[in-house]
Amino acid sequence: QKEVEQDPGPLSVPEGAIVSLNCTYSNSAFQYFMWYRQYSRKGPELLMYTYSSGNKEDGRFTAQVDKSSKYISLFIRDSQPSDSATYLCAMSAINDMRFGAGTRLTVKP
Amino acid sequence: GAVVSQHPSRVICKSGTSVKIECRSLDFQATTMFWYRQFPKQSLMLMATSNEGSKATYEQGVEKDKFLINHASLTLSTLTVTSAHPEDSSFYICSASIGSEQFFGPGTRLTVL
Repeated sequence: QKEVEQDPGPLSVPEGAIVSLNCTYSNSAFQYFMWYRQYSRKGPELLMYTYSSGNKEDGRFTAQVDKSSKYISLFIRDSQPSDSATYLCAMSAINDMRFGAGTRLTVKP
Repeated sequence: GAVVSQHPSRVICKSGTSVKIECRSLDFQATTMFWYRQFPKQSLMLMATSNEGSKATYEQGVEKDKFLINHASLTLSTLTVTSAHPEDSSFYICSASIGSEQFFGPGTRLTVL
């Protein structure tokens, strides 16, 4: 079993749709949870960073962490074509960071 | 936000040559930098963790004599791919940490002919 599981997609939605991206993990030592967005041939950029269970909102993005279920989510509201990218979940303990496989998202105009 | 740069962004080299990739934290000091490799349509794979002034810690399966890492200062880490072969062709990405957050460079695409 991989430490971090993420459905690679691809996921295609119409503009304006709500997108839900998810990851599960097995290592209960993970304390920090991140979502990165990666455009083609670019390095990942940090979107959201959370520590505790619960929700964190930033504009159209909401990150949700459920430590009891070892499950994290990223919601994108009112999705835009510019949101088309690969979204990577990541989680870390001290000096140990693991990434999901990434979900390729396409938002169609 | 914190900015990490990489140079070069793209390199094409002949098999058997060595290639050096630089990773710099531009507006902060990073005691720890990470090197990742990413194959097409795959996730980031951690290669090594680089701490300033000490030897890098390599992940299992990564040859330390092939992938030389030097973290000479708090703002610069270099990765040298020695005697590169076509199977080393990949996207190499560095990141630098501030506390528990990591900030990624733009990546270097290496193509070995």
